[in-house]
Amino acid sequence: GEDVEQSLFLSVREGDSSVINCTYTDSSSTYLYWYKQEPGAGLQLLTYIFSNMDMKQDQRLTVLLNKKDKHLSLRIADTQTGDSAIYFCVETEGNNRLAFGKGNQVVVIP
Amino acid sequence: DTEVTQTPKHLVMGMTNKKSLKCEQHMGHRAMYWYKQKAKKPPELMFVYSYEKLSINESVPSRFSPECPNSSLLNLHLHALQPEDSALYLCASSLDWVSNQPQHFGDGTRLSIL
Repeated sequence: GEDVEQSLFLSVREGDSSVINCTYTDSSSTYLYWYKQEPGAGLQLLTYIFSNMDMKQDQRLTVLLNKKDKHLSLRIADTQTGDSAIYFCVETEGNNRLAFGKGNQVVVIP
Repeated sequence: DTEVTQTPKHLVMGMTNKKSLKCEQHMGHRAMYWYKQKAKKPPELMFVYSYEKLSINESVPSRFSPECPNSSLLNLHLHALQPEDSALYLCASSLDWVSNQPQHFGDGTRLSIL
């Protein structure tokens, strides 16, 4: 499968912004996703971006895509305690096969 | 209704038991998936069903047997499992297998093998 690289851990104070970064390898990916997994739960589709877009904003979430560098980032504004979770950067490999990054654990400090 | 429902939430079984995991969605999705997730790891694809037919089997041992009785239901039958099969089993669905529409996941079944 494709390699999706993520940093592993981020600690952030409540109310600050969080930025999670990811690099991917398949330039032909149509969609790039961010999934959130809270402790003991399944994966929640947080947001996604089409590969022909540079940016997508959805309330407190901003996704930036740099296709030249194959770099994807997720910014969470005004981080809340409910944002504590593991965040997976995911690309599509072909058909609808997903390639997951290792995940980035975000811990929000009150 | 954007839910994928999995039952049971937790399952403890011995290595000689037979049990089944169930997954249900009513979004009209025609692709359904089983994933296995070990602690602190991303999910790993096990099976893909497309229009109720098995499309992908990622070399999963035969002690895991999937079944898709209809377009809304997906089962995973378990028999003679090993301790290393203890994991979170996630079901997902998407509109279809080829159009790269997002996959929606259930909350999983946490399986422990004694």
